[in-house]
Amino acid sequence: DVKVTQSSRYLVKRTGEKVFLECVQDMDHENMFWYRQDPGLGLRLIYFSYDVKMKEKGDIPEGYSVSREKKERFSLILESASTNQTSMYLCASSFGGTRETQYFGPGTRLLVL
Amino acid sequence: SQQGEEDPQALSIQEGENATMNCSYKTSINNLQWYRQNSGRGLVHLILIRSNEREKHSGRLRVTLDTSKKSSSLLITASRAADTASYFCATDAWGAQKLVFGQGTRLTINP
Repeated sequence: DVKVTQSSRYLVKRTGEKVFLECVQDMDHENMFWYRQDPGLGLRLIYFSYDVKMKEKGDIPEGYSVSREKKERFSLILESASTNQTSMYLCASSFGGTRETQYFGPGTRLLVL
Repeated sequence: SQQGEEDPQALSIQEGENATMNCSYKTSINNLQWYRQNSGRGLVHLILIRSNEREKHSGRLRVTLDTSKKSSSLLITASRAADTASYFCATDAWGAQKLVFGQGTRLTINP
């Protein structure tokens, strides 16, 4: 079974802090994704990566950056956290194309105070 | 606007009944996928149906796809309390590099 893990289930940070969310997958998938999920807005794609060191902006990249130094790990970085970044963050990975079946991690619920 | 939109937004039925959820989308697709999300958890892939397929089954799940109407339905037969979750459709528009998720149907199964 594919396993996607995220570094934290719950996280509380202060406004202005730099926040790192880590995601690791164990199935050698080329593609990895970061989404945020908010009530009434569904899942929105922040960034995705189709290879090591490659990244593409999603629909809402502002205020975020990503890093993919190793194939199994995809990090989401909030350079200076703001209260409007309070959300559920979901990481996913996929094999083959970026439009194929995605395997999700359990999510990180981030609260920015 | 969303590529895929689920209907209804919420559905509450009795255990043992069948549950049907619908998804409509706007542009041509390669495939359409359904996912389930239990409260506070990540999404779990249920089924993928390709644009040249009309119907697909997986256990108690039945998915249909009508590309002429740009719509899909997910049927869960003989529902159980454990089926209580949100269900999302995801589509890949032609030329897009990503999946676009709808806002989901919240399904509640009452014992």
